[in-house]
Amino acid sequence: VQLVQSGAELKKPGASVKVSCKASGYTFSTYDIVWVRQATGQGLEWMGWMNPYSGNTGYAQKFQGRVTLTRNTSISTAYMDLSSLRSEDTAVYYCARFPTVTSGLDSWGQGTLVTVSS
Amino acid sequence: SYELTQSPSLSVSPGQTASITCSGDQLGDKYTCWYQQKPGQSPVLVIYQDTKRPSGIPERFSGSNSGNTATLTISGIQAMDEADYYCQAWDSSSFVVFGGGTKLTVL
Repeated sequence: VQLVQSGAELKKPGASVKVSCKASGYTFSTYDIVWVRQATGQGLEWMGWMNPYSGNTGYAQKFQGRVTLTRNTSISTAYMDLSSLRSEDTAVYYCARFPTVTSGLDSWGQGTLVTVSS
Repeated sequence: SYELTQSPSLSVSPGQTASITCSGDQLGDKYTCWYQQKPGQSPVLVIYQDTKRPSGIPERFSGSNSGNTATLTISGIQAMDEADYYCQAWDSSSFVVFGGGTKLTVL
């Protein structure tokens, strides 16, 4: 199982960023994908989840209206789109596989650094 | 929203046992997971479903969960265990919830 994320991004305040997460080693549509972010020196913060089979999503209240999770099942890739960026969004963004509510996040991407700066 | 609380730091000597706690309202009624994160690396799942170890995780990592507290126990601490540890639970309203993390220092 491997999740490979897209490279680092530098964005200006107010812009949007789209991070990709390509899955391999398992059937992509079988397990949920979640997105977690971590600001420098800070803890893990859950952003949202997506079911790749149905496309159903759920978002943390903090990010409602600013984050959109999508997927392309033909290339086994999940996407996280975050809009109206501000400096506080500077963080490493991770995707992770989430088989069940009891299994934990059993496989993580390598992380994508998003820097928001004017 | 549901919250999990961890002590910020813990220091342990090599060979001793570290107990990292995570507290939350009726946490014992939920399943808890634990992650290890070393500097510059992605988190790694070390305990799931309160007590189970994923393949490849040493037996000296164990977990328990009862009442309002879940505990990650690392016996025979080694220098390689120095890392940040995060607890995580799933709540029907908050979905995925993380604790604030505990920095484990091996003296």
